[in-house]
Amino acid sequence: DQQVKQNSPSLSVQEGRISILNCDYTNSMFDYFLWYKKYPAEGPTFLISISSIKDKNEDGRFTVFLNKSAKHLSLHIVPSQPGDSAVYFCAANPFAGNNRKLIWGLGTSLAVNP
Amino acid sequence: EAGVTQFPSHSVIEKGQTVTLRCDPISGHDNLYWYRRVMGKEIKFLLHFVKESKQDESGMPNNRFLAERTGGTYSTLKVQPAELEDSGVYFCASSLRGNNEQFFGPGTRLTVL
Repeated sequence: DQQVKQNSPSLSVQEGRISILNCDYTNSMFDYFLWYKKYPAEGPTFLISISSIKDKNEDGRFTVFLNKSAKHLSLHIVPSQPGDSAVYFCAANPFAGNNRKLIWGLGTSLAVNP
Repeated sequence: EAGVTQFPSHSVIEKGQTVTLRCDPISGHDNLYWYRRVMGKEIKFLLHFVKESKQDESGMPNNRFLAERTGGTYSTLKVQPAELEDSGVYFCASSLRGNNEQFFGPGTRLTVL
């Protein structure tokens, strides 16, 4: 039973527009959330994260929003660039001391068209 | 600074054979994690080392899988004997103690025929 859900397998946007990737989770004990980006034949690369005590974190073109009551987070990319085309994974940390194992969604494949 | 490295990048073996995967974490990272992604499924946690000690091995599928991290540096993951359902991409990640950001290696693609 998946605890982290990314219900959109793919998303296509035009260069310069906003990309919004969504993620839902079921476990209210999750205390930290991360977004990773993955290119083919490479490992996931950390993009941005957010603690459960915040509702927004911004880093350049990337912003993550967290709605704890809805158990929902989203990643906004503005403006989108062709180099952003990749698979984006949402991951969550259960609150477990030093063990920061990640619980992953299935990923959303983003295509940014020139 | 070198990132997380994994060897081999690909391995094709027959059912019943043994395979050993290796991971070299970023120097100084006490935490080392193994994950696996089976085709069509999400990336799943296998186990977590803190230095040479196993902190959590709750994700290990069964006793055909053995992970070690002697000396608290590199780690190996041995599958013996391999079964068809072990096919997938095995990722290793490392992080500083108490840090949430994990750095991933490129993965080892294992195919069991």
